[in-house]
Amino acid sequence: DTEVTQTPKHLVMGMTNKKSLKCEQHMGHRAMYWYKQKAKKPPELMFVYSYEKLSINESVPSRFSPECPNSSLLNLHLHALQPEDSALYLCASSPSGQGWTGELFFGEGSRLTVL
Amino acid sequence: RKEVEQDPGPFNVPEGATVAFNCTYSNSASQSFFWYRQDCRKEPKLLMSVYSSGNEDGRFTAQLNRASQYISLLIRDSKLSDSATYLCVVSPKTSYDKVIFGPGTSLSVIP
Repeated sequence: DTEVTQTPKHLVMGMTNKKSLKCEQHMGHRAMYWYKQKAKKPPELMFVYSYEKLSINESVPSRFSPECPNSSLLNLHLHALQPEDSALYLCASSPSGQGWTGELFFGEGSRLTVL
Repeated sequence: RKEVEQDPGPFNVPEGATVAFNCTYSNSASQSFFWYRQDCRKEPKLLMSVYSSGNEDGRFTAQLNRASQYISLLIRDSKLSDSATYLCVVSPKTSYDKVIFGPGTSLSVIP
């Protein structure tokens, strides 16, 4: 079982809705990530938080708004999405600093469908 | 040019075969290299890190050639359970930097 928990596992929303995806880890990791994955494509980096501060935003549209309320939680707020935003959204975490082994710990993902 | 490129695949091999995957990266400042595995409709999981001296983990051998910016993964004695997508992953420096996934190569091991 993964130690990164994502909720909800499935989400269906209309283009005018506002919803949020949540991610939680209790491994003491200080780096957390959001990836987007379309079918038969690799995960595509969206955001990276390091020590609760946004360190990377890969030119993601503003209809996606990340938030890191504390070191264990990562949210992705969704507003006015488009059908092409339908995808699997993966949260990951990793220890930061020296000694990183390269392992990103992924949650099982939230499968989003935008109607 | 994409930051990380891999063999397009898919690879369909019989059980017991040896199969090799290749990966190239464009950023010469890249410092950390990995192979991840992703099963259908599951999250990616780390298979192994790749070191300059080459490294082996059971049936899996990874090689890195910094001069050619090339990474490889060799799987010997393929098992049915090896069927998955193999993702080459590159990072410039640290865990909180751009960890970039290659497009992946699909492997099906056939009985």
